[in-house]
Amino acid sequence: QLQLQESGPGLVKPSQTLSLTCTVSGGSITSPNSYWSWIRKSAGKGLEWIGRLDTGGGTNYSPSLRSLVTMSLDTSKNRFSLNLASVTAADTAVYYCAREGVDDFGDYYFESWGRGMLVTVSS
Amino acid sequence: QSVLTQPPSVSGAPGQRVTISCTGTSSNIGAGYGVHWYQFLPGTAPKLLIYANSNRPSGVADRFSGSKSGTSASLTISGLQAGDEGDYFCQSYDSRLVNWVFGGGTMLTVL
Repeated sequence: QLQLQESGPGLVKPSQTLSLTCTVSGGSITSPNSYWSWIRKSAGKGLEWIGRLDTGGGTNYSPSLRSLVTMSLDTSKNRFSLNLASVTAADTAVYYCAREGVDDFGDYYFESWGRGMLVTVSS
Repeated sequence: QSVLTQPPSVSGAPGQRVTISCTGTSSNIGAGYGVHWYQFLPGTAPKLLIYANSNRPSGVADRFSGSKSGTSASLTISGLQAGDEGDYFCQSYDSRLVNWVFGGGTMLTVL
């Protein structure tokens, strides 16, 4: 069974870069046609999709965060990462990593999730 | 403000049935994009309950069902159990925002 686990600092100072890693077990991040996403949940904005990676390292980011987000794959460690630059208090949220599935109509959904990790932005 | 609109809370007694609505617009649900539902329970990873409007992943109880009509979708939970208490979110795709979008979430209380 696929399992995902987020890790990283739980506290980040304003204007710094938030960095998180998602370690995948029970499956390979290079499985064909796999997409890996980051999603966050905050009191102010609810659930928000941040972006995704494909197995070749290609990326697709939310238009509202595109200028601040970087994602990458580490195939040697079966994990992928999120960097969010210039954070503010509004970036305080629970961050989730997830694997996407696709239905017969080409619509994507989030079929497996990590438990999430609270990241607080504060000085 | 979430793109998809859900009621903030619903409640029901054990054994009863509740329905959670998810209302969108012509650029998301009304455009024909699929609606998917997730269950958030305290201390556990979020779980996919329904995908593509009405399909249950393997392992999800048939007490959970979904439907879609026009610009809205619904999640119905039958035979309520105490363990169902938590938050439920809908999700779709929005062609105007070019983004995956979510509902604001509905808190389910089992009385």
